[in-house]
Amino acid sequence: AQSVSQHNHHVILSEAASLELGCNYSYGGTVNLFWYVQYPGQHLQLLLKYFSGDPLVKGIKGFEAEFIKSKFSFNLRKPSVQWSDTAEYFCAVARQSGGSYIPTFGRGTSLIVHP
Amino acid sequence: EADIYQTPRYLVIGTGKKITLECSQTMGHDKMYWYQQDPGMELHLIHYSYGVNSTEKGDLSSESTVSRIRTEHFPLTLESARPSHTSQYLCASRGQGAPPGELFFGEGSRLTVL
Repeated sequence: AQSVSQHNHHVILSEAASLELGCNYSYGGTVNLFWYVQYPGQHLQLLLKYFSGDPLVKGIKGFEAEFIKSKFSFNLRKPSVQWSDTAEYFCAVARQSGGSYIPTFGRGTSLIVHP
Repeated sequence: EADIYQTPRYLVIGTGKKITLECSQTMGHDKMYWYQQDPGMELHLIHYSYGVNSTEKGDLSSESTVSRIRTEHFPLTLESARPSHTSQYLCASRGQGAPPGELFFGEGSRLTVL
């Protein structure tokens, strides 16, 4: 079974600091990769996604993520965080062919940004 | 903008009660999912459906049941709630043709069983 590992469970930053959240997965086949975000009191929503092509993908609100196939990683980055980025961030992986198409989620990373 | 609704948002009940968590979406999505979310833990898939009259159990064993009689409706039922069922339950959907993993989520139903 595939698994998704998010190494940082809690991250606390000051505004304008740079952010990188790690995500590794164990599945060796073709995958679709996602980052979801859950702002306080709101529903989970898609932040960005990777299916194929350029391994550096850009999402909403200045976030980007890089797919490194050799490392089975899909790390999320933002050069300069804002207080409004305080949220829970979830990495998710879905198989692209065969078997189940259901995404597997990581444990989430709680990000707190101090003004 | 996705439209997927869950009710109730919050529920506190006693042990042994039967409860149903409602989930409805207005997007005509054929695929729907129920996830269980506990603080600091992965979202665990407990049920999913690929269309009317189709339901499957997910990775996490659950004592709950689901039904899919209409495309837009995917309720989850606990026949006899226990304190171990205390959790947040998230409903999600995906449209036909949408890539695997691209889900729209509801706001969740937070259940507390005393």
